[in-house]
Amino acid sequence: GQNIDQPTEMTATEGAIVQINCTYQTSGFNGLFWYQQHAGEAPTFLSYNVLDGLEEKGRFSSFLSRSKGYSYLLLKELQMKDSASYLCAVRDYQGGKLIFGQGTELSVKP
Amino acid sequence: EAGVAQSPRYKIIEKRQSVAFWCNPISGHATLYWYQQILGQGPKLLIQFQNNGVVDDSQLPKDRFSAERLKGVDSTLKIQPAKLEDSAVYLCASSLDYTGLSNTEAFFGQGTRLTVV
Repeated sequence: GQNIDQPTEMTATEGAIVQINCTYQTSGFNGLFWYQQHAGEAPTFLSYNVLDGLEEKGRFSSFLSRSKGYSYLLLKELQMKDSASYLCAVRDYQGGKLIFGQGTELSVKP
Repeated sequence: EAGVAQSPRYKIIEKRQSVAFWCNPISGHATLYWYQQILGQGPKLLIQFQNNGVVDDSQLPKDRFSAERLKGVDSTLKIQPAKLEDSAVYLCASSLDYTGLSNTEAFFGQGTRLTVV
């Protein structure tokens, strides 16, 4: 089976940096995804990690350590529009089953 | 390219009634997912198709929920009879057939918001 844990909510200040952590347990790992979901909207893809290390994409970076079952999403130069839920998802090796965590509700304040 | 299409966007039904949701994935996407998302929670995988075959339906309440993907393209999800706790957003997503380490992210439709009263 799979188990994914992330904090329920976080608050940060506009212009600051925030790190959202995700820990997972899975019987077979084949990639970790981060999605952003604004209230009332569908999730949209942010990043993908399958090998250890850091992936950078503009203001967003994502890190993976497979041996520790750990990932984080780093958001720099926070903007008000970054207030959203951030979802960590793990893809299972067999069949590609995609399982989501509960999501982290990020509030960016002026 | 066109995205994942879902209908209807909203549905209100009484408990014990039946309801069906429709999804048209992105052209060429072999994998199709149905998720249930209750307010304040992450999406819960109900069923995953690879073409017209079921990859996983371990969390689908099979006594009341059913899904099919005839011809490996469009899919329908049905609930019969509905319960109050089925009130949620039902999200359909699709992705390319993944191989190895390739990034084949899932693209989501806008979802159907179901309210059972």
